Amino acid sequence: QSVLTQPPSVSGAPGQRVTISCTGSSSNIGAGYDVHWYQQLPGTAPKLLIYGNSNRPSGVPDRFSGSKSGTSASLAITGLQAEDEADYYCQSYDSSLRVFGGGTKLTVL
Amino acid sequence: EVQLVQSGAEVKKPGESLKISCKGSGYSFTSYWIGWVRQMPGKGLEWMGIIYPGDSDTRYSPSFQGQVTISADKSISTAYLQWSSLKASDTAMYYCARHFSGIQPNDYWGQGTLVTVSS
Repeated sequence: QSVLTQPPSVSGAPGQRVTISCTGSSSNIGAGYDVHWYQQLPGTAPKLLIYGNSNRPSGVPDRFSGSKSGTSASLAITGLQAEDEADYYCQSYDSSLRVFGGGTKLTVL
Repeated sequence: EVQLVQSGAEVKKPGESLKISCKGSGYSFTSYWIGWVRQMPGKGLEWMGIIYPGDSDTRYSPSFQGQVTISADKSISTAYLQWSSLKASDTAMYYCARHFSGIQPNDYWGQGTLVTVSS
């Protein structure tokens, strides 16, 4: 059972907008710790997608955005593309440890 | 160019020992933490522990404390993850990843090392 809760799966058609939630508690996200998001394409290592709740590393399209409020965070993907089909993980900090969400599989219909 | 290059896939028998590696290049190896992440087949990412090669400060996730040993040799910019007695349940992909400090993100990841434990 992950400390951070994500929906197991989400889906959307090309061009649509999808959001992935990451729900924590007062000991992690709610304590003010940043949330980072990673994208894991099939058969590859995770890649940093969003850092510090809402910042994009160089090279990440602006179709990807992040936000945080209270004890939750969200990743939004607009203009969905087939290449976005992947697993997405949120990450934060809890009791001096790094923690991941359980991951969300995004299917592009 | 920053790179983390991990050692190759391993096939081991239960009870055997194993040490896998993660070699950093293109940055100051002693200035960044290196963490190890387990991904069991078809499952999510799990933090195992981290090491600061500058002074070998090491911290483990409670789930992995006593199960594995994390170490580093800063003279060759390499971090290690080792087991003294493997179990079938250790079968997984293992990734190393760096972060600068505290709760900074893991900005570079190794390609992963697949460990298969089977009799």
